[in-house]
Amino acid sequence: ETGVTQSPTHLIKTRGQQVTLRCSSQSGHNTVSWYQQALGQGPQFIFQYYREEENGRGNFPPRFSGLQFPNYSSELNVNALELDDSALYLCASSIEAGSQETQYFGPGTRLLVL
Amino acid sequence: GNSVTQMEGPVTLSEEAFLTINCTYTATGYPSLFWYVQYPGEGLQLLLKATKADDKGSNKGFEATYRKETTSFHLEKGSVQVSDSAVYFCAPNPNNAGNMLTFGGGTRLMVKP
Repeated sequence: ETGVTQSPTHLIKTRGQQVTLRCSSQSGHNTVSWYQQALGQGPQFIFQYYREEENGRGNFPPRFSGLQFPNYSSELNVNALELDDSALYLCASSIEAGSQETQYFGPGTRLLVL
Repeated sequence: GNSVTQMEGPVTLSEEAFLTINCTYTATGYPSLFWYVQYPGEGLQLLLKATKADDKGSNKGFEATYRKETTSFHLEKGSVQVSDSAVYFCAPNPNNAGNMLTFGGGTRLMVKP
């Protein structure tokens, strides 16, 4: 139990739709990162937010966007969904953004795009 | 760029066998090193970590030693249990990457009774 929760647990969308995934971090954790994990692969870094500002971004297009709120919750938004967006989306929180910080992962949201 | 190479799975062992999962990495700077475990249908859990050369991380009978000279962080356990069946991910966290983990493809471990 990491204290990080995500909603919904599962979601089905169709191509071209938009989706919002939510994450609730541990209290006091100022950093949240989002990862995409395709079936049978390792997680790929999407972006990170620190104190409500984007703090880094992986190799994902602008239709992937995010928000972080003062109450330790955050959102991942994906516009114009594509079939390849089908994956498990994981959020992870940590106290700060330093390299020695442990990230605590939520259980993930499994998105299926038809 | 940063990358991780893990031994391909699945690794199938009998209960009480010795486990080694190899991990080598390339990363700029002086990374911290992490092993995460993913049980079926769940998110990732931190298994152990090491933050400097020759550090040994350990947890639940698992160990890994930070080898800077060989850029490796191999995971070992002396006696595996059926409950250890999961996917294991090695992840360096470079100190210039703001805590953005780089994952390899993972190694699936299957332990049979």
